[in-house]
Amino acid sequence: SAVISQKPSRDICQRGTSLTIQCQVDSQVTMMFWYRQQPGQSLTLIATANQGSEATYESGFVIDKFPISRPNLTFSTLTVSNMSPEDSSIYLCSVELNPNTDTQYFGPGTRLTVL
Amino acid sequence: LAKTTQPISMDSYEGQEVNITCSHNNIATNDYITWYQQFPSQGPRFIIQGYKTKVTNEVASLFIPADRKSSTLSLPRVSLSDTAVYYCLVAGFNKFYFGSGTKLNVKP
Repeated sequence: SAVISQKPSRDICQRGTSLTIQCQVDSQVTMMFWYRQQPGQSLTLIATANQGSEATYESGFVIDKFPISRPNLTFSTLTVSNMSPEDSSIYLCSVELNPNTDTQYFGPGTRLTVL
Repeated sequence: LAKTTQPISMDSYEGQEVNITCSHNNIATNDYITWYQQFPSQGPRFIIQGYKTKVTNEVASLFIPADRKSSTLSLPRVSLSDTAVYYCLVAGFNKFYFGSGTKLNVKP
């Protein structure tokens, strides 16, 4: 497994502002992922972040709204831009340790509330 | 992309064995099946993963029939602390689908 941390663990933000969430893993990984989990719902993949290349976004998510950085093999950031109350969710990062089996391990999540 | 279907909720009592089944009719040849446990305000925790037949680890067993169109997570002798949401994930070639999850409620 891997030790994955996220910062901040939670935040309350005003609409129209932006928040950057950090994800740090204790080992080098090629694939990192960002998910959104709305209250009481399942997880929805936002994007896949490979080091050294542009993030790949899933349908319904765009780079202008959720810009992602992946500067090295142990770190990634997700920014939630121009926030509205609909962006209130838990945001989770995960890492893939075994590309042959697509095994993912998740961070603790960032709980975002937008007022 | 393989869509998964799970029961929304299940009830059990302490000490019982719990079996949660996930349907994934469109599973592809390269897809693996992974189960996660999630407590409130925490990220999903890896439980077990398999490709076919039976896999067992220290916390659970995973049964996958030959056609791989379903899988069953078996939790032996559950305790109150096993109350959580359990997700079945089918993944391959970096394509993932998390189903709705099964909320397991373990009663004393």
